[in-house]
Amino acid sequence: DVVMTQTPLSLPVSLGDQASISCRSSQSLENSNGNTYLNWYLQKPGQSPQLLIYGISNRFSGVPDRFSGSGSGTDFTLKISRVEAEDLGVYYCFQGSHVPRTFGGGTKLEIK
Amino acid sequence: EVQLVESGGGLVQPGGSLKLSCAASGFTFSSYGMSWVRQTPDKRLELVATINSNGGSTYYPDSVKGRFTISRDNAKNTLYLQMSSLKSEDTAMYYCATDGFDYWGQGTTLTVSS
Repeated sequence: DVVMTQTPLSLPVSLGDQASISCRSSQSLENSNGNTYLNWYLQKPGQSPQLLIYGISNRFSGVPDRFSGSGSGTDFTLKISRVEAEDLGVYYCFQGSHVPRTFGGGTKLEIK
Repeated sequence: EVQLVESGGGLVQPGGSLKLSCAASGFTFSSYGMSWVRQTPDKRLELVATINSNGGSTYYPDSVKGRFTISRDNAKNTLYLQMSSLKSEDTAMYYCATDGFDYWGQGTTLTVSS
């Protein structure tokens, strides 16, 4: 199985700061058709995960442009340019390139 | 608006069975593959079952293979997860999700305990 490793586990930030979360996969996520299925999710307290980014860098419908994704191969990054209070929660990366599809362990974004 | 509403969770004894349901609306259910994902008490997420749009193809990880069965009724816009031989490690919040994992329900809780 592809192991998705997120760092850091916890990210204390001040409102208005930039935040960056890393996700590393145990093997390349570029599959045989040249596509890379890497998503990012945010789970706010008491809610289900919500899709933020798909295909490495594409923002899902309604997601603010302060969220951006980048990376390739085995190394991926989610950046939040100016953290707002509504951004707090746990962020998960996810790979859909290989079976079984797997999630990272999560990064908790919290107020410093 | 896409809506996924899970139901059927509860407290079950080890070795018992339970069937979860997920009612879908706001999209053409019969055109999409669907999945069940669980979140364990330590907040880890695990895909537990996937089914294609017409129900002809399914996938299970080894952790639930032979114990869980995913099915769907496209006429009723409903997804199911039949769980049997339940173990304490199956305790989790169970979410249904569209197969691209772009939409998730609010979840239903399963607790396996004596």
